[in-house]
Amino acid sequence: AQTVTQSQPEMSVQEAETVTLSCTYDTSESDYYLFWYKQPPSRQMILVIRQEAYKQQNATENRFSVNFQKAAKSFSLKISDSQLGDAAMYFCAYTGSQAGTALIFGKGTTLSVSS
Amino acid sequence: GAVVSQHPSRVICKSGTSVKIECRSLDFQATTMFWYRQFPKQSLMLMATSNEGSKATYEQGVEKDKFLINHASLTLSTLTVTSAHPEDSSFYICSARAADTHNSPLHFGNGTRLTVT
Repeated sequence: AQTVTQSQPEMSVQEAETVTLSCTYDTSESDYYLFWYKQPPSRQMILVIRQEAYKQQNATENRFSVNFQKAAKSFSLKISDSQLGDAAMYFCAYTGSQAGTALIFGKGTTLSVSS
Repeated sequence: GAVVSQHPSRVICKSGTSVKIECRSLDFQATTMFWYRQFPKQSLMLMATSNEGSKATYEQGVEKDKFLINHASLTLSTLTVTSAHPEDSSFYICSARAADTHNSPLHFGNGTRLTVT
């Protein structure tokens, strides 16, 4: 079975600084997809970024980028120029190659941003 | 963008009663919807996969007779918590993909906070 591990329950960063959230996963599949979701206090799930396993190039979305290391099964999220609005719980998620499969989430990392 | 509407957003019910939660895809058809449960400050745990026109697939440890799922159309899935007990109090979230491809991101409803008294 696939698993997703986020080893940092809490992280903190100052405004304008950079922070990296770590995520590792375990799978025997060669084709899969990885995501980072943000959940603010409203509890709405917001997609931050996604990565296709077959792509070597790391995905980027404005201030958000990932470091995808397929061999190491690592998928970290880097937030640059952190803003107060980035404060939230961040979940790393995995889905396999079969259509109709759900996302498997890590336990999450709570990010606080200070001014 | 793809929108998933979940209703109600908050419900309080008495122990022993049943509660129905609706999940609708507003601008797309979803052959598959997913139901998650989330306790405070914890992760989303998959409860079941709802398939249009067929029985839901439940995750291990989830009581199918307690959490009834019906996916009667391509835009509506319902979760009914039967004979609710205080331990069923939680945050329930539904989700769906706008396209039937595995790499499409899941779109989430805004969740339902269930409190059983």
